[in-house]
Amino acid sequence: ETGVTQSPTHLIKTRGQQVTLRCSSQSGHNTVSWYQQALGQGPQFIFQYYREEENGRGNFPPRFSGLQFPNYSSELNVNALELDDSALYLCASSYPGTGEKLFFGSGTQLSVL
Amino acid sequence: KNEVEQSPQNLTAQEGEFITINCSYSVGISALHWLQQHPGGGIVSLFMLSSGKKKHGRLIATINIQEKHSSLHITASHPRDSAVYICAVTGSARQLTFGSGTQLTVLP
Repeated sequence: ETGVTQSPTHLIKTRGQQVTLRCSSQSGHNTVSWYQQALGQGPQFIFQYYREEENGRGNFPPRFSGLQFPNYSSELNVNALELDDSALYLCASSYPGTGEKLFFGSGTQLSVL
Repeated sequence: KNEVEQSPQNLTAQEGEFITINCSYSVGISALHWLQQHPGGGIVSLFMLSSGKKKHGRLIATINIQEKHSSLHITASHPRDSAVYICAVTGSARQLTFGSGTQLTVLP
């Protein structure tokens, strides 16, 4: 049990739609990062938030955006969904005092039809 | 060339065998992580290393910073160890870069 919860667990959307994925971290986890994992591949870094500000971004287009809230929850928003956006989306959080130990959620499986 | 390379990609072992999974990286790092991912997606952090060696139960992780190489060892492997093992590194931009994972299957 990592204490990081993601919702929903599964989601089906159609091309062109918008989606919001949610992540709830443990209290005090002021860093959250989001990853995209295509089937059979390792996760790819999307972006990271620290104290509600984006402080790192991977090679993803601007239609991938995020928010982090004071209650240690966060969102990943994807606009204009494409078929290739079908993947497992993972969030991971960390907090001061653990170095960079990461606590992962179980992920949201997104299917774009 | 990927920044993080793992080998082997797939590994099948008999219960009780000693297992080694290797990870090489090509960038400067502040930490290296070994992660375990079971079917269904959930990822568990096994180790975070910046130098030396760590041990937790039957798992041992080592890192050689000069050679940019790390190994994950599993002693007395068990079918419940079957999972994907992923090596990931934290670079200077605090971005986590993942290897493509090693699918381990331990047969009873």
